[in-house]
Amino acid sequence: AQSVTQLDSQVPVFEEAPVELRCNYSSSVSVYLFWYVQYPNQGLQLLLKYLSGSTLVKGINGFEAEFNKSQTSFHLRKPSVHISDTAEYFCAVSIIQGAQKLVFGQGTRLTINP
Amino acid sequence: DADVTQTPRNRITKTGKRIMLECSQTKGHDRMYWYRQDPGLGLRLIYYSFDVKDINKGEISDGYSVSRQAQAKFSLSLESAIPNQTALYFCATSEGLKGETQYFGPGTRLLVL
Repeated sequence: AQSVTQLDSQVPVFEEAPVELRCNYSSSVSVYLFWYVQYPNQGLQLLLKYLSGSTLVKGINGFEAEFNKSQTSFHLRKPSVHISDTAEYFCAVSIIQGAQKLVFGQGTRLTINP
Repeated sequence: DADVTQTPRNRITKTGKRIMLECSQTKGHDRMYWYRQDPGLGLRLIYYSFDVKDINKGEISDGYSVSRQAQAKFSLSLESAIPNQTALYFCATSEGLKGETQYFGPGTRLLVL
């Protein structure tokens, strides 16, 4: 079975500072990797995903993530955050061969302080 | 108009009551999913359906049932609600492709007293 661990439940940062949200996964088979964002009082929307190819993936709103197979990680980064980035961020995996079900991490609440 | 809608958006019910949460989509997707979100636990899959005739249990299906009335509609029922079913419930849809994106509704916040 697959599992996802988001190492920080809450991350407070100041506006315009860089941020990294950490995600590690466990799987005995190859996986696809995703980051979803949940803005206050909304559903989740896709931020970015890694399917294959370049290990550096760029997403919406200036976010990027790097797939590291040897460390089984998929950390999310942004060089300069804005107040509007305040949200909860979820890392998720699905196995390449199979029913395409998503397994989510626990979530990281990103709070941007002015 | 939103592509994935959920009704109601908020619901308060009492222990032992039967309730239904509804999900509709206009994206034309075959696949639909129900998740619950609890603080510190992320989202967990309750049921999923790959077409009208296909229903599958997810990670935490006990105490829940579903009905896929049409391609566009997928309902979640709590047969006899209990307080630990208090949670935020999300419906999602997808096309059925490898590495596909799931599209989420706005959620239903359920409180069981």
